[in-house]
Amino acid sequence: DAGITQSPRHKVTETGTPVTLRCHQTENHRYMYWYRQDPGHGLRLIHYSYGVKDTDKGEVSDGYSVSRSKTEDFLLTLESATSSQTSVYFCAISPGDRESDSPLHFGNGTRLTVT
Amino acid sequence: AQKITQTQPGMFVQEKEAVTLDCTYDTSDPSYGLFWYKQPSSGEMIFLIYQGSYDQQNATEGRYSLNFQKARKSANLVISASQLGDSAMYFCAMREIDGGNNRLAFGKGNQVVVIP
Repeated sequence: DAGITQSPRHKVTETGTPVTLRCHQTENHRYMYWYRQDPGHGLRLIHYSYGVKDTDKGEVSDGYSVSRSKTEDFLLTLESATSSQTSVYFCAISPGDRESDSPLHFGNGTRLTVT
Repeated sequence: AQKITQTQPGMFVQEKEAVTLDCTYDTSDPSYGLFWYKQPSSGEMIFLIYQGSYDQQNATEGRYSLNFQKARKSANLVISASQLGDSAMYFCAMREIDGGNNRLAFGKGNQVVVIP
């Protein structure tokens, strides 16, 4: 158990509403990531963080923002949800000292439906 | 450009037989890492095996082994003695150390169904 908790686990929201997903880790790892998973696309990186207040964009960052004010929490916000953001969202951490060869450990995912 | 390619259609494999899942990758970095993950129908992502670009030997972890052919840029996963619990999606992923900012890029996955 990598000590990663995602909340909520499921959410249904309406187009145009803001949504925030939370990722919480218990082990003070430096690197945290948000991915989305869609059929036929595998997992695609949205944003990642390499420390408190240090974040950067991934390959599918449009429409998303993130914040990391504490080591243990990494928040993903959809400012105005669209139907194309219906997906399963995974948070991940990189637990090793050498990030290069550390596998990512994933949370259990958040299933978001935008109607 | 797609970094990781997994093109096999869904695969059916007989229980106790071996199965090979293909993965090819594209990178110009001399230093990179290759990972395989399993995603059962319950949805969690499970790390299986890792291969570093400078590793001299193919990685093995229990029934999982990685057939790493660096010149061909392939990193195929071999699952020996398949079990019913091996039915899942399998994802290949790569981390480029120098040019990729240490981010992990995933392929689209291979579906495996083990039949008794």
